[in-house]
Amino acid sequence: EAGVVQSPRYKIIEKKQPVAFWCNPISGHNTLYWYLQNLGQGPELLIRYENEEAVDDSQLPKDRFSAERLKGVDSTLKIQPAELGDSAVYLCASSFDSSNTGELFFGEGSRLTVL
Amino acid sequence: QKEVEQDPGPLSVPEGAIVSLNCTYSNSAFQYFMWYRQYSRKGPELLMYTYSSGNKEDGRFTAQVDKSSKYISLFIRDSQPSDSATYLCAMKRPGNTGKLIFGQGTTLQVKP
Repeated sequence: EAGVVQSPRYKIIEKKQPVAFWCNPISGHNTLYWYLQNLGQGPELLIRYENEEAVDDSQLPKDRFSAERLKGVDSTLKIQPAELGDSAVYLCASSFDSSNTGELFFGEGSRLTVL
Repeated sequence: QKEVEQDPGPLSVPEGAIVSLNCTYSNSAFQYFMWYRQYSRKGPELLMYTYSSGNKEDGRFTAQVDKSSKYISLFIRDSQPSDSATYLCAMKRPGNTGKLIFGQGTTLQVKP
């Protein structure tokens, strides 16, 4: 069974440019997460989807970040415009549901460098 | 103060050593405790999961939770070079609204 697929794996852009990351979760997983992982830090939740509904986006900087999960499957995370401080790894994860024991399965991440 | 504190290391041990990794936390509402392993340039993967207090063993790995002290540990016996990775503790409140809070991770290197 395929795991969580993310693309691109690496992206280098100039500041103020837009960037988008794509995530395909494990088939049948209703819950999808976007996490931000800065160098030497643990992942921090940006947004959580239950099917196509964003149920926790309190940590998403909405002035420049946006996300969507059309049809409750694939998801896209966008940054516009990017800032130097956005350089980080953007991790997508999915789980069957968001119950207490729901294991999160992570993709390999999209590593963003903003110059 | 962060909700979850974890010593970032790095921790370097010889092959075969017993490794102890630890996290402390401040939120007494946490009931679910996990350890994730993250290899370089990969996503985290679940290693151990524990509910409330107690011990759980899986092969060379043992997870301990002491809720009275708000302290969790992961022990690795007979450590191998393949155990070299970053270990992230994570914890969660009960219910669908509780989100997973990660520690900053401890980088472990096991030298042959």
